[in-house]
Amino acid sequence: QVQMVQSGAEVRKPGSSVKVSCKTSGFSFSSYTINWVRQAPGQGLEWVGGIIPVFGPTQYAQKFLGRVTITTDESTGTVYLELSSLRSEDTAVYFCAREYVLRDLSGLGYWGQGALVTVSS
Amino acid sequence: QSVLPQPPSVSAAPGQKVTISCSGSRSNIGNNFVSWYQQFPGTAPKLLIYENNKRPSGIPDRFSGSKSGTSATLGITGLQTGDEANYYCGTWDSRLSAWVFGGGTKVTVL
Repeated sequence: QVQMVQSGAEVRKPGSSVKVSCKTSGFSFSSYTINWVRQAPGQGLEWVGGIIPVFGPTQYAQKFLGRVTITTDESTGTVYLELSSLRSEDTAVYFCAREYVLRDLSGLGYWGQGALVTVSS
Repeated sequence: QSVLPQPPSVSAAPGQKVTISCSGSRSNIGNNFVSWYQQFPGTAPKLLIYENNKRPSGIPDRFSGSKSGTSATLGITGLQTGDEANYYCGTWDSRLSAWVFGGGTKVTVL
């Protein structure tokens, strides 16, 4: 079955970087866009970006351009999100998510468990 | 202010029906699929509706979705205490080239 298992919680100081991973299994890694969505404490969902593994087209939300990089490791089926120049407002739970069906933009049906990133001095 | 305004909260008695609205524009809801998510505190969102009105396997038919023009609606019938959660709409915005989500609606069972 489809599984999306994320790395654990991280604590970082302002100005530093963080790299969060999402190990996938149970499906063809190159067939689905993998998205990153974050949720600040008590707030709603915010899309960070997405990537089509292997083939590589990557899209990022405008507000993160220049600070975010999404990469993949095909050999392990893992997707990475790296966010740099961290500020306190980046404190959030970061989720990876995959489309439910093969048709793109239809709905995010499989989610990782989330990884809390805390930015604090 | 969310790109897709939703009511902050709705409530009803057990067994009753609630509807949650999600308002958008031509660049998002008007030209793309709408999906709906249920989220309990401390957990990942769960897909309830995809492609405007389809239910994933295992989602009861008490949950329904519809779309008309630039608005979408989630309906929950036969309300149960276990339905108390936050609900989000989501869609792709072709102008922003980004997924956008509603601000979320808290459902309370009275």
